[in-house]
Amino acid sequence: GENVEQHPSTLSVQEGDSAVIKCTYSDSASNYFPWYKQELGKRPQLIIDIRSNVGEKKDQRIAVTLNKTAKHFSLHITETQPEDSAVYFCAASMYSSASKIIFGSGTRLSIRP
Amino acid sequence: SAVISQKPSRDICQRGTSLTIQCQVDSQVTMMFWYRQQPGQSLTLIATANQGSEATYESGFVIDKFPISRPNLTFSTLTVSNMSPEDSSIYLCSVDPGQDTQYFGPGTRLTVL
Repeated sequence: GENVEQHPSTLSVQEGDSAVIKCTYSDSASNYFPWYKQELGKRPQLIIDIRSNVGEKKDQRIAVTLNKTAKHFSLHITETQPEDSAVYFCAASMYSSASKIIFGSGTRLSIRP
Repeated sequence: SAVISQKPSRDICQRGTSLTIQCQVDSQVTMMFWYRQQPGQSLTLIATANQGSEATYESGFVIDKFPISRPNLTFSTLTVSNMSPEDSSIYLCSVDPGQDTQYFGPGTRLTVL
């Protein structure tokens, strides 16, 4: 089955700097890659996703890139702000079958003022 | 997206007892899922709740321990049976409203003494 690895487990960046979180997946059939943000005590919230027919997607300060050949994808947050502090989870799925999503282990992002 | 609610939001239970968690969605959805998130950990899929048929369980999870009901397209329950302290966790339902992605409920925080 699918296995998703995520790095780093913790990340601390200065406010205003960029943050990058990287994930790899094992199943070449996976074609849907969502990212979730989970604030302390809250539910995971979908922040951006990418499907395998696209190499990059951007939404304001957040961007995701996908390299299907290497089976890795990354989340980029630019101009970080205190409210970006949270745990971020990458995930992979075969969305065409509406099947299960497999999550990475999570990255705890802290923004230093 | 969909509006998802869960009951109870939290509970403290004695070992050996059972707790049923409810998940309600504001619209009909084909796919509903149940996840477990242990403290400081990622999300692990327990099962897919299928309307009109038995749930599909992931490796390591069995129906006797986590019976699931899905009586219609807006509602599902997860029961945690014969609880032990190791079952202390956050239990989340999620739904796919037909967009081939998943949105999460607020979670149920369970503590077993």
